[in-house]
Amino acid sequence: QKEVEQDPGPLSVPEGAIVSLNCTYSNSAFQYFMWYRQYSRKGPELLMYTYSSGNKEDGRFTAQVDKSSKYISLFIRDSQPSDSATYLCATRAGGTSYGKLTFGQGTILTVHP
Amino acid sequence: DSGVTQTPKHLITATGQRVTLRCSPRSGDLSVYWYQQSLDQGLQFLIHYYNGEERAKGNILERFSAQQFPDLHSELNLSSLELGDSALYFCASSVEGGGISTDTQYFGPGTRLTVL
Repeated sequence: QKEVEQDPGPLSVPEGAIVSLNCTYSNSAFQYFMWYRQYSRKGPELLMYTYSSGNKEDGRFTAQVDKSSKYISLFIRDSQPSDSATYLCATRAGGTSYGKLTFGQGTILTVHP
Repeated sequence: DSGVTQTPKHLITATGQRVTLRCSPRSGDLSVYWYQQSLDQGLQFLIHYYNGEERAKGNILERFSAQQFPDLHSELNLSSLELGDSALYFCASSVEGGGISTDTQYFGPGTRLTVL
């Protein structure tokens, strides 16, 4: 079983829809949680970074972390065709794990006009 | 543009060969990370260097090795290549080595390796 599970989709939504992307993780040592967006043939770019449980909002994006259920979510409001990409959740433990990121498989999202 | 550069963009080679991938981190970043992305395994951590020293290893094969030079650029060496090594190889960099909570990794555009 992978440490971070993510439904690969694909997910197709109409423009303006609210998108919900989710991951679950199994390692209780994970303390930092990220969402990366990856366009085709490009490197991942950081969207959101959260520490511990709670919500974080940045424009149309909201990241949620529930450590009690080991559940990570990303919500995209008023989705746009330019949001079409692969979304990767990532986690990192603290302490001596240093910078190793553990990624989910990625969810392919298409927003159609 | 993340500020991380990787060369070459594409590499096509044959089984049994050896290749070197190069990464230049963002200005001021001391850490370099290497990741492999394949369709079946997703994005997997390979190795982390901080200011020239190896910090952490992931599931990196013994045929693979890396180093970080005094000017902080890094090279990933892949030898005795097999068909299954075909993948995207990403380099990322960060200011610190993950010891602070806000240390963010910025990814380069990747090198696409095809082994025939």
